Amino acid sequence: AQSVAQPEDQVNVAEGNPLTVKCTYSVSGNPYLFWYVQYPNRGLQFLLKYITGDNLVKGSYGFEAEFNKSQTSFHLKKPSALVSDSALYFCAVTWKGNSGGYQKVTFGIGTKLQVIP
Amino acid sequence: EAGVTQFPSHSVIEKGQTVTLRCDPISGHDNLYWYRRVMGKEIKFLLHFVKESKQDESGMPNNRFLAERTGGTYSTLKVQPAELEDSGVYFCASSPGGTSTDTQYFGPGTRLTVL
Repeated sequence: AQSVAQPEDQVNVAEGNPLTVKCTYSVSGNPYLFWYVQYPNRGLQFLLKYITGDNLVKGSYGFEAEFNKSQTSFHLKKPSALVSDSALYFCAVTWKGNSGGYQKVTFGIGTKLQVIP
Repeated sequence: EAGVTQFPSHSVIEKGQTVTLRCDPISGHDNLYWYRRVMGKEIKFLLHFVKESKQDESGMPNNRFLAERTGGTYSTLKVQPAELEDSGVYFCASSPGGTSTDTQYFGPGTRLTVL
């Protein structure tokens, strides 16, 4: 069974400082990893995904994430946080099953990011 | 291009009543997904449509939940009769393809409260 862990319920960071939101995963095969963001009263918005290739993935709004196979992690990062980045962040994983095709997506519990002015 | 829309945005019903949630996917997206997030917990997969066919309904909690996608366009999720534990936010998502690498685009969700 696949799973995602987001070990921090909330991350607080000062505006202008670098931010990291942690995510670790467990799957049976090669993982496909996603980050989504949910702003208040809005749906989930896609930020970035790792499928294959370069371990450093760049996404929307200046966010990036690094795939680390040995540590089974996919932490979300941004060099300089903005107050407007304050939101709920979800990590998600799926994988290429043995028969190929679609495997359902498993989400983490979410991490609330609070950027302090 | 319009995104995924969901109706209603909020619904408050009493235990035992029936509620129907609607999702309109992005035009041209054959794949439609339903998810649910109970307060403070992870977003859980409910089911996946490819056009009008149910590809995977392994996440449906029980037979009180019925999802349909007649004509392969919009989808409805009916809860009948509703129980207290059905409260949560129901998200719909769509994607053009149905592979694991496809990005899913989410709607704003329907917040269901069962009293």
